[in-house]
Amino acid sequence: DAGVIQSPRHEVTEMGQEVTLRCKPISGHNSLFWYRQTMMRGLELLIYFNNNVPIDDSGMPEDRFSAKMPNASFSTLKIQPSEPRDSAVYFCASRRAEGGETQYFGPGTRLLVL
Amino acid sequence: GDSVTQMEGPVTLSEEAFLTINCTYTATGYPSLFWYVQYPGEGLQLLLKATKADDKGSNKGFEATYRKETTSFHLEKGSVQVSDSAVYFCALSPYGANSKLTFGKGITLSVRP
Repeated sequence: DAGVIQSPRHEVTEMGQEVTLRCKPISGHNSLFWYRQTMMRGLELLIYFNNNVPIDDSGMPEDRFSAKMPNASFSTLKIQPSEPRDSAVYFCASRRAEGGETQYFGPGTRLLVL
Repeated sequence: GDSVTQMEGPVTLSEEAFLTINCTYTATGYPSLFWYVQYPGEGLQLLLKATKADDKGSNKGFEATYRKETTSFHLEKGSVQVSDSAVYFCALSPYGANSKLTFGKGITLSVRP
């Protein structure tokens, strides 16, 4: 079974540019989570979806961040405009929607905003 | 709200030493408890989990027991290897379709040959 797939694995961009991160969850999983990991703040939940519907976006830092899940097999996290403080590793995770089930993480996208 | 507290790190051990990483939690009800491991440059992987009181999760020589009376889920391994060097996260998830994981801050383990 393929795990959670994220692309790109690495992204270097300049301040002010738009950045789009992509995630393909494990087939059959109907919950999807976006996390951000930095040295200063650790692992933070940004937003999560159940059955393609956003459930909790309280972790999204500000309006520059947006996430979509147009179908069960694809999600995007967009930053527009990007800023140097957005530099981090962004993880996507998926699981079945029933409570208590394990989340499976992708390999992450390492973003550097210059 | 729910929270997870892990012991401060980093931790450095010699190969074959005994490992304990403390984790305590605050939650209502009966959450599921997890240990995730993150190897350098990789995403988080589930190491083990326990879903009810007194359950013991185990994997790759690691163990943790769900202790409701002390609200703890300490991770142990009898003999660590260099390959166990990683960041370890304790986490909890309440039951429910809209539940989410609450993570501790993580602790870095380095094992010397």
